[in-house]
Parts: sequence; C-alpha cells; structure tokens
Amino acid sequence: GAGVSQSPSNKVTEKGKDVELRCDPISGHTALYWYRQSLGQGLEFLIYFQGNSAPDKSGLPSDRFSAERTGGSVSTLTIQRTQQEDSAVYLCASSNRLAGRYEQYFGPGTRLTVT
Amino acid sequence: AQSVAQPEDQVNVAEGNPLTVKCTYSVSGNPYLFWYVQYPNRGLQFLLKYITGDNLVKGSYGFEAEFNKSQTSFHLKKPSALVSDSALYFCAVRDPSLGDSNYQLIWGAGTKLIIKP
Repeated sequence: GAGVSQSPSNKVTEKGKDVELRCDPISGHTALYWYRQSLGQGLEFLIYFQGNSAPDKSGLPSDRFSAERTGGSVSTLTIQRTQQEDSAVYLCASSNRLAGRYEQYFGPGTRLTVT
Repeated sequence: AQSVAQPEDQVNVAEGNPLTVKCTYSVSGNPYLFWYVQYPNRGLQFLLKYITGDNLVKGSYGFEAEFNKSQTSFHLKKPSALVSDSALYFCAVRDPSLGDSNYQLIWGAGTKLIIKP
C-alpha cells in the first residue's frame, strides 16, 4: 500500500514483558516519527528520525524505551519491562522533503495494553 | 518558548450551524501551521496547512482556516457543521528555530468537536 503501516494493530502483554512495535513508512520518506496517545488525549512525542542524522530521542519517557530505524526505512519501537502506564496507542508518522515536507502522514497505530 | 494552544477541550455545535475550533501559537519566526483530524477509531489525517500566501486556507471536507498574524491565531472553521464532523482536531506548528532540515511539528493538545443532530 501507499500509506504508513504499523504492526501489530493490537498487542496485549503482561507487565514486565518486552514488546516490539513496527512501522513501515511511506517509501522515500526521509523523516519518521513515533508518538504515544492515551485514550482520547493529545499526542506525546517520543522520537524522531531524519535521514542519516542522529535521532532526536528527547521524548522517550524512560530508558525502557528505545527505537531504531534500519536502512532509512522500517522502524521498531521497543519497550522493555512493560508497565501498566505504558498502555496507549503508539502512532508512527513519516514525511518527505518533496511532498509538503512538513506534512506528516500517520499510520493506524498500535494499541498496546499491559495487563 | 515555542508553543501551540487549543484553549477548548471540547466544542459543541448543532448540525447546520457554523463551527470554529480555536488555535493560537507562539513561535519566533514565520510559522507553518497545520490542522489534523482524528475520527473515532481511525488514524490522524491531514486537513489543511498554511505556509505562505493567502491568509484563508481551504482544506478537505469543506474546512477552512484563517491565519491571523497579529493575533497569532489559526482558527479552523466550517460554515455548516455535519454530524460526521464529530472528531478530535489537532493544531500543529513548525518551529522555524529548528532549522530547515528539521521537520518536527509542535502539537496542540487537541479539541473534541461534537456535532449534535
């Protein structure tokens, strides 16, 4: 497809387990963003990748959170030792210099539930 | 500090009436301004943006927004609301101090729009 895809769409995990969330951005988009959204609330910025530059990790809430982007394309957000407060929808977005470069295109999100 | 404010957590409008969702911003340079919409159980979608030029910007689904530099506002409007417009609306601004190669946006907290039949 032409849009941003995320997997899984839903993830239920037990407290203390590690989880990996995947994002496939739009092909050719150099910028990739991860956000967290609690039910019906605003967007919490987590991390931003731009090309080959060092990522902006300033939004990661703790050292249990990490993300990587391989080959300038797919990104994985990893949460270690999950806690109940990690339950939220995790959104990925991408953008491109050529196509209204500041306009972000969002994936459908991964709903994470920590029990 | 750079910021975006959406002063209303929720806006209630009767179907057929005009609607306004407010957004004000504070950035040091020339802002790029955006509106996004999130329908229930769906992803965030781009509605419209202001970069330069005409202060009145038209977007998807009959929405428009007016850039007002003196009031540092970018309110979202629609002449006649539909029940299907009920959603969560986010205003966002590009922080020019981040430089030309940084694409990050500053996001407002969101406004829930409820259109009653």
